[in-house]
Amino acid sequence: IQMTQSPSSLSASVGDRITISCRASHSISSYLNWYQQKPGKAPKLLLYAASSLQSGVPSRFSGSGSGTDFTLTISSLQPEDFATYYCQQSYSPLMYTFGQGTKLEI
Amino acid sequence: QVQLQESGPGLVKPSQALSLTCTVSGGSISSGNYYWSWIRQPAGEGLEWIGRIYTLGSTNYNPSLKSRVTISVDTSKNQFSLKLSSVTAADTAVYYCARVSYYDSTNLDVFDIWGQGTMVTVSS
Repeated sequence: IQMTQSPSSLSASVGDRITISCRASHSISSYLNWYQQKPGKAPKLLLYAASSLQSGVPSRFSGSGSGTDFTLTISSLQPEDFATYYCQQSYSPLMYTFGQGTKLEI
Repeated sequence: QVQLQESGPGLVKPSQALSLTCTVSGGSISSGNYYWSWIRQPAGEGLEWIGRIYTLGSTNYNPSLKSRVTISVDTSKNQFSLKLSSVTAADTAVYYCARVSYYDSTNLDVFDIWGQGTMVTVSS
């Protein structure tokens, strides 16, 4: 299952609302997770099952979608949110796949 | 809390094998319903899943790497390992180990704990 994110990069300002899209090549129901990665660090799980917030993640992060189309929304960007975001499908546990990433820049 | 730490050579010669170990601390690798996984990331690129292992030994590998990959577990040392044979420059990347948790409430797997990553360069 191929995962395609858009845009590949995004420029925004503190306080902005942004959305990142992720599309699966086949329906994956809600088996979709989102990760945040900062430079030189490992990815961090933000949301799972398309819309469930991982413990400790701020509520300004939200997710939606099912089937093939998903979105990650950050309601009011904070300085610490500038990072690269990846979607990942868990529909096929024998072959997990990630999107190519969306770099969120100031 | 559970933590993961990768270790191994940072430089491997072409055609040789890359070997990395992930040490699990703060909990037993055998407890709970977890898979243990390897993921890699070439510089400036995205994430590629390599494979996973269950503590009873069952494995799954990325088909694109399957012929060259072996993942094993040593429960007595609380470690799992990656071996990638016949490496080329294309295998140069940061290699992460990660825990795969199954979330009962939503019936799916997540990578919920990651190591800090280790850079491996393939060069003569």
